[in-house]
Amino acid sequence: GENVEQHPSTLSVQEGDSAVIKCTYSDSASNYFPWYKQELGKRPQLIIDIRSNVGEKKDQRIAVTLNKTAKHFSLHITETQPEDSAVYFCAAFGGSQGNLIFGKGTKLSVKP
Amino acid sequence: DAGVIQSPRHEVTEMGQEVTLRCKPISGHDYLFWYRQTMMRGLELLIYFNNNVPIDDSGMPEDRFSAKMPNASFSTLKIQPSEPRDSAVYFCASSFGTAYSNQPQHFGDGTRLSIL
Repeated sequence: GENVEQHPSTLSVQEGDSAVIKCTYSDSASNYFPWYKQELGKRPQLIIDIRSNVGEKKDQRIAVTLNKTAKHFSLHITETQPEDSAVYFCAAFGGSQGNLIFGKGTKLSVKP
Repeated sequence: DAGVIQSPRHEVTEMGQEVTLRCKPISGHDYLFWYRQTMMRGLELLIYFNNNVPIDDSGMPEDRFSAKMPNASFSTLKIQPSEPRDSAVYFCASSFGTAYSNQPQHFGDGTRLSIL
């Protein structure tokens, strides 16, 4: 079945810097890759997603890239702000399983 | 839309007791998912339903756990008897999709369960 690896597990950046979180997946049939942000004590919330027919997608300060050949996808946050501090989860969907498989999460800390 | 609604938000009970968690998915969504989140194991899928039918319950840890979805607007997750290691945050999520639901899942606020 699908397996999703996420790195790094923790990331600390200065306000205004960029942050990059990387994920790899194992099932080449996976076709949908969402990213969720979870603030402390709250629910995971979808922040951006990408499908396998697209290589890159942007939404203001957030972008996601997908490399199907290498089976990895990344989240890029530019001009980070303290409110970006949270745990970020990547996920992959499709292939032989009819459900999302989540990475273990990255705790991002943005220092003012 | 009110989003996915879970109840209770917090539950504290003694081991051995029956625990029932409830979920109301977003209206029109045909997929419903139950997750468990702990620091050690992260976000784990327990079971998911499509059109009220359980599709995959391979994530349910033991026979003490059971889930039902009697109609399109309600689902329950039961633990009987409960044990301290069941303490976690339990999330319900729903989505709309076709045979393989490659649509966003929307999460409820979760139930924080503590078994003493």
